[in-house]
Amino acid sequence: DAGITQSPRYKITETGRQVTLMCHQTWSHSYMFWYRQDLGHGLRLIYYSAAADITDKGEVPDGYVVSRSKTENFPLTLESATRSQTSVYFCASRSGTSSYEQYFGPGTRLTVT
Amino acid sequence: DAKTTQPNSMESNEEEPVHLPCNHSTISGTDYIHWYRQLPSQGPEYVIHGLTSNVNNRMASLAIAEDRKSSTLILHRATLRDAAVYYCTLGGSSNTGKLIFGQGTTLQVKP
Repeated sequence: DAGITQSPRYKITETGRQVTLMCHQTWSHSYMFWYRQDLGHGLRLIYYSAAADITDKGEVPDGYVVSRSKTENFPLTLESATRSQTSVYFCASRSGTSSYEQYFGPGTRLTVT
Repeated sequence: DAKTTQPNSMESNEEEPVHLPCNHSTISGTDYIHWYRQLPSQGPEYVIHGLTSNVNNRMASLAIAEDRKSSTLILHRATLRDAAVYYCTLGGSSNTGKLIFGQGTTLQVKP
């Protein structure tokens, strides 16, 4: 499918478990981003990546790990999930040459019990 | 990172213009002003952006104050499909395109 996709769309996991959220884009965009959105709040940046093998922290990186071995994929891993990480997670991408317009995926709703 | 301030909610009647304000008094000289909107149960979508001059596109217009400390998103004729949360964000100064989102304005459109 063309565009930006996230999987799974819904996930329930237990406290302490490791979980990985996947993000895939087909545009070969240089930049990719992970945000979380808690109920009734705006989006907060977790991590971002300027290119393959280049990542950097956003506003709320604690408890998360990212990698970017391929341009099109940007997985987000919660190494030991906590209840406070229950949220909706959005992935986004941006072309390195466009003027900063980001394209967002449909989101993954994660519940940590 | 510079922050934005928006009203929590606004109401509009269908087919009337809507002016959504945003304050960003600490904006830096190289920050672009971006607007995104988020429909229920969807990811945000880009609406418009600008640096200094007013901007128009098929979705909306962006009016930027001369001192750049505030901006207004203008929907010329609101429709029921425009009911969403509208986010004013700043970004671009470090060339990462990193955006810092505020709380946004929930727009209700009444028929």
